[in-house]
Amino acid sequence: SAVISQKPSRDICQRGTSLTIQCQVDSQVTMMFWYRQQPGQSLTLIATANQGSEATYESGFVIDKFPISRPNLTFSTLTVSNMSPEDSSIYLCSGRQGRSTEAFFGQGTRLTVV
Amino acid sequence: DAKTTQPNSMESNEEEPVHLPCNHSTISGTDYIHWYRQLPSQGPEYVIHGLTSNVNNRMASLAIAEDRKSSTLILHRATLRDAAVYYCILSPTGNTPLVFGKGTRLSVIA
Repeated sequence: SAVISQKPSRDICQRGTSLTIQCQVDSQVTMMFWYRQQPGQSLTLIATANQGSEATYESGFVIDKFPISRPNLTFSTLTVSNMSPEDSSIYLCSGRQGRSTEAFFGQGTRLTVV
Repeated sequence: DAKTTQPNSMESNEEEPVHLPCNHSTISGTDYIHWYRQLPSQGPEYVIHGLTSNVNNRMASLAIAEDRKSSTLILHRATLRDAAVYYCILSPTGNTPLVFGKGTRLSVIA
């Protein structure tokens, strides 16, 4: 399956600032998704990154807080804006292509907001 | 999304087989049954998936009940590296995101 390179792997940020996380896939994929995983919890879907159009956000997540770009079929970014300590989490991107195929994930970005 | 039910945790001895159960009584005819696992400090990784028939790959086997309302992930010989959270997920298409439940935390004892 495809490989996703996600960076940064971790960061410590000041409250009120923004962080952009990048995911690069080694091949073209139809779908890309962004997840958040709070400490000790399962993964929660933030949004579907749509190539060439606005992302589709899940309930509880908004574009102003988590703007997403997907300029082509191999790359996507997630920005965590105006951060607060409650945003401290692991953020993961995922790719998928085809009806019966598996999903693949980046290694995650561990974000700590102080 | 159709829901799955898994035990919160399981324990296994090293080098013994492990059977991880998953109930999905509301599965629809087009839902694939996927299994992923998440090792500590890593992103989830694909393990196996199937639709109706049992499936085998180098990592595991997937046994699917005839009525498809349950499935079992089988690790044939658990190793310490298999200690992870295992997620059973139903997925209707490859264009939809996976929806994760709480999964089963597998501990492997040497």
